[in-house]
Amino acid sequence: GAGVSQSPRYKVAKRGQDVALRCDPISGHVSLFWYQQALGQGPEFLTYFQNEAQLDKSGLPSDRFFAERPEGSVSTLKIQRTQQEDSAVYLCASSSRRPSYYEQYFGPGTRLTVT
Amino acid sequence: AQTVTQSQPEMSVQEAETVTLSCTYDTSESDYYLFWYKQPPSRQMILVIRQEAYKQQNATENRFSVNFQKAAKSFSLKISDSQLGDAAMYFCAYRSARTQKLVFGQGTRLTINP
Repeated sequence: GAGVSQSPRYKVAKRGQDVALRCDPISGHVSLFWYQQALGQGPEFLTYFQNEAQLDKSGLPSDRFFAERPEGSVSTLKIQRTQQEDSAVYLCASSSRRPSYYEQYFGPGTRLTVT
Repeated sequence: AQTVTQSQPEMSVQEAETVTLSCTYDTSESDYYLFWYKQPPSRQMILVIRQEAYKQQNATENRFSVNFQKAAKSFSLKISDSQLGDAAMYFCAYRSARTQKLVFGQGTRLTINP
């Protein structure tokens, strides 16, 4: 089956604009994650959904960041009033409940550049 | 908070040789999982190998194996018979058994010399 897909792959935004990044997880995966990866760094956790419930949003850096997964499938990460420090690759991952180690399958990412 | 440290920003190895990537982590928990992920230039992260903390035996997946030292909180990755396709960023990651979020290290860029 298809893997995790993300769109757009590249996004350029002017400082102050709002952006929306989309993630399509693997069909049937109940868990969905968003990570932020700055240039030359490892990914950092932003938020986690189980079905439509957002169970952990401890990694969201400010109230400008908002994520939703209204029907428990596709998710959107929204960044309001973008700033230069928001420039990064945003990775989405999904996992099923089994096996117990919950392997996360990653999408190709969306590279956001704020000018 | 848990942290993961990869002290080697870059490593290189001759094709067909063996290379070891280092990773240490800090946690007060006893039940957790450790992972090595590979991120080729195309950026899609791929799981290479995993280790459950409760298992004493080191995990092995074909040419990839780990040396898991729980007391020392060390989790190194050994790649045997290196191939050109192994060139990538490698990330060590930790996951508590209580949560599902991954905590990543800074990564090691591996170059394979033909």
